[in-house]
Amino acid sequence: RKEVEQDPGPFNVPEGATVAFNCTYSNSASQSFFWYRQDCRKEPKLLMSVYSSGNEDGRFTAQLNRASQYISLLIRDSKLSDSATYLCVVNKITGTASKLTFGTGTRLQVTL
Amino acid sequence: EPEVTQTPSHQVTQMGQEVILRCVPISNHLYFYWYRQILGQKVEFLVSFYNNEISEKSEIFDDQFSVERPDGSNFTLKIRSTKLEDSAMYFCASTPSGNTIYFGEGSWLTVV
Repeated sequence: RKEVEQDPGPFNVPEGATVAFNCTYSNSASQSFFWYRQDCRKEPKLLMSVYSSGNEDGRFTAQLNRASQYISLLIRDSKLSDSATYLCVVNKITGTASKLTFGTGTRLQVTL
Repeated sequence: EPEVTQTPSHQVTQMGQEVILRCVPISNHLYFYWYRQILGQKVEFLVSFYNNEISEKSEIFDDQFSVERPDGSNFTLKIRSTKLEDSAMYFCASTPSGNTIYFGEGSWLTVV
């Protein structure tokens, strides 16, 4: 089983649509969770952290289910500028070592 | 806003040559990382560095690779004898606490 698994997509949605991405992770010792956004040939940029209580940042809502080892991202009212690859990322900290493990990413294309 | 800076942005090198990729992490950050992304593939962890020592390294980070912090600001990745399969985008990253990690814009290495 992959450490972090995502549907690669692409998800093609019209502007204004709501779209949801899911992710599962295999290491139950993972301690923190993130969604990053990556544009083509650019660096990953932090979109938001993910908490069990769920958290929202504008049109973006993230949720973590530790029991199921499942992470989700919901984007409401999609904009053209949301077109990118969304990376599910888990972090495990051991002593002084912190290691991010990335999923392969889910490609989103928002169209007119 | 402070950012992680990397040089060069793009380097072409012949197989067997040594390459040094340079990074200036955000100034008050204590943890430093190198990740790489082969074109079309996921972001992969190479090495983490804390208190002037390697904290953790992946299987990819073999004897051909080394990291250094030669002065108070720079953090370098050296590849001693490059192979074709080393062609990738190399991202430097840093964090103050081991949790939220910030990436540089990357150095694109092409080995010919």
